[in-house]
Amino acid sequence: DAGVTQSPTHLIKTRGQQVTLRCSPKSGHDTVSWYQQALGQGPQFIFQYYEEEERQRGNFPDRFSGHQFPNYSSELNVNALLLGDSALYLCASSPIWGRGFVRNTEAFFGQGTRLTVV
Amino acid sequence: DAKTTQPNSMESNEEEPVHLPCNHSTISGTDYIHWYRQLPSQGPEYVIHGLTSNVNNRMASLAIAEDRKSSTLILHRATLRDAAVYYCILKATNFGNEKLTFGTGTRLTIIP
Repeated sequence: DAGVTQSPTHLIKTRGQQVTLRCSPKSGHDTVSWYQQALGQGPQFIFQYYEEEERQRGNFPDRFSGHQFPNYSSELNVNALLLGDSALYLCASSPIWGRGFVRNTEAFFGQGTRLTVV
Repeated sequence: DAKTTQPNSMESNEEEPVHLPCNHSTISGTDYIHWYRQLPSQGPEYVIHGLTSNVNNRMASLAIAEDRKSSTLILHRATLRDAAVYYCILKATNFGNEKLTFGTGTRLTIIP
């Protein structure tokens, strides 16, 4: 089992550009969450996708958007990049939810994509 | 979101037990206590979680105070591989609220 895989591992973009990051969840997982981790800080929740819909969102502007595909993989898009968007972007997947209740399960994280905005 | 408080850093000698404390005085009755750790240059890794009773697994033990306002992660015999940032997180269990709210964690240094 490959676990959670993210691509690319590193990326350098110019201020004002757009970027797309990709995530493949662990086999058997259908819920994908994205986190941003600035240097020296803990990860901050961006949003979560389940059944191809955004189910929960953290305190991030609309420049941050996402998508989940039928095979459960996900993309994170960031438009109009700012220098402050430089961070490690982490994807986490969780096992299948039970219908109507939250299964208190562990999240599996990928190694992350290191984005540098210059 | 309920908040947790952890020491910024701790040191421990190799092969000795380590007790990592966490305060969460505003915990709600349905919040689970989760611990994750992040090794250098890696994504966070699940360690253990519990609700009210103490929990053990192959990685660690979790001791939860009777009033649930604090907990302690116990590494029984620290190795150099345990050097990491350890995060104590309160996880809600209401439907649609699956996020993990990380603080700044405790940076654990293991002394050979």
